[in-house]
Amino acid sequence: QKEVEQDPGPLSVPEGAIVSLNCTYSNSAFQYFMWYRQYSRKGPELLMYTYSSGNKEDGRFTAQVDKSSKYISLFIRDSQPSDSATYLCAFNTNAGKSTFGDGTTLTVKP
Amino acid sequence: EAGVAQSPRYKIIEKRQSVAFWCNPISGHATLYWYQQILGQGPKLLIQFQNNGVVDDSQLPKDRFSAERLKGVDSTLKIQPAKLEDSAVYLCASSPGRPGYEKLFFGSGTQLSVL
Repeated sequence: QKEVEQDPGPLSVPEGAIVSLNCTYSNSAFQYFMWYRQYSRKGPELLMYTYSSGNKEDGRFTAQVDKSSKYISLFIRDSQPSDSATYLCAFNTNAGKSTFGDGTTLTVKP
Repeated sequence: EAGVAQSPRYKIIEKRQSVAFWCNPISGHATLYWYQQILGQGPKLLIQFQNNGVVDDSQLPKDRFSAERLKGVDSTLKIQPAKLEDSAVYLCASSPGRPGYEKLFFGSGTQLSVL
């Protein structure tokens, strides 16, 4: 069983839609939860970071963590064509090693 | 602030040839990582350096891959000899090195095609 499972997609939504991206994990040592965005032919860039269960908001983005269910989500409100990218969930242990999901490719159509 | 620099951007080689990638991390970042990203998959850690010492190379295929970080700054990753399954994007990342929360700053990667 893989340590991280991410909804594979691809996902295609109209502009303005609410997007939900999801990952589950099995490693209880994961203490830090992150979402990266990766545009085509670019490296990933950090979008959201949290270490506790609950919600964290940053503009149109909300990261949700449920440690008891080992489940994390990223919500994008009022999605824009510029949000079209691959979204990667990532997890860190206290040792600092990042484990990534395989990504969900999102297309937002004008 | 300058980002993580990587070169070359693209490389095409034949199997059994050798290839080398170069990375210059963000100035002052103590931790440097090399990741392999195969098409359709997430990045997979190959090796992690803290300054010029290796912290984790458990996923590095040491029979063909090698990496070094001279003077704790630049790093090179080498593959010799290359196999078809090495076709991937090789990403370099750096971080300030604060334990537990490693915000990674990635370069744009080197896309390697092995024919």
